[in-house]
Amino acid sequence: SQQGEEDPQALSIQEGENATMNCSYKTSINNLQWYRQNSGRGLVHLILIRSNEREKHSGRLRVTLDTSKKSSSLLITASRAADTASYFCATDTKGGSEKLVFGKGTKVTVNP
Amino acid sequence: GAVVSQHPSRVICKSGTSVKIECRSLDFQATTMFWYRQFPKQSLMLMATSNEGSKATYEQGVEKDKFLINHASLTLSTLTVTSAHPEDSSFYICSASEQGAWYQPQHFGDGTRLSIL
Repeated sequence: SQQGEEDPQALSIQEGENATMNCSYKTSINNLQWYRQNSGRGLVHLILIRSNEREKHSGRLRVTLDTSKKSSSLLITASRAADTASYFCATDTKGGSEKLVFGKGTKVTVNP
Repeated sequence: GAVVSQHPSRVICKSGTSVKIECRSLDFQATTMFWYRQFPKQSLMLMATSNEGSKATYEQGVEKDKFLINHASLTLSTLTVTSAHPEDSSFYICSASEQGAWYQPQHFGDGTRLSIL
């Protein structure tokens, strides 16, 4: 089963609004990463948050991590049409196999 | 920044054809590369971990004789889909980490859209 599960599956907003998406996972992790994928393209790394961190910022991105709830959120502030993409969380497994497991993603559409 | 180049971007071929996909790290050395498969509107599924100079590690359910992986240099890994059939049609993506560790940020190629007729 998927380690990471994003919520919602799809999100449609207007330019300038904020977009929030969540990721839940099942096992203990070392790190959690967020990636963006434009349609038909590869993934682009956005941000990595370690298990001992609670919040991290990068430009208009804000990521939180709650290890007690096994969940993370990605907030995109002041969204732009260029932010239209699918967003995936990826987790490793503490003490587990050496691979990242990706969630199903949230498809974000930012309308101009 | 680190760049991973993947070729070809799109392949359309007849059933029974073997197809080779290349994944190159352009400005860094990658001892490990990862191959993923992605179905429409779904997540990435790891197929195998490609290790330079040694055999690839395949995920459960992935046929190693069907999906041949060669990682002969520190900058190139290839995935060959042998005797491809329509059910092999998918989006294949490779990745590598500049830092060399699987848990570090991955740099992805732009993917290969494989369509088997």
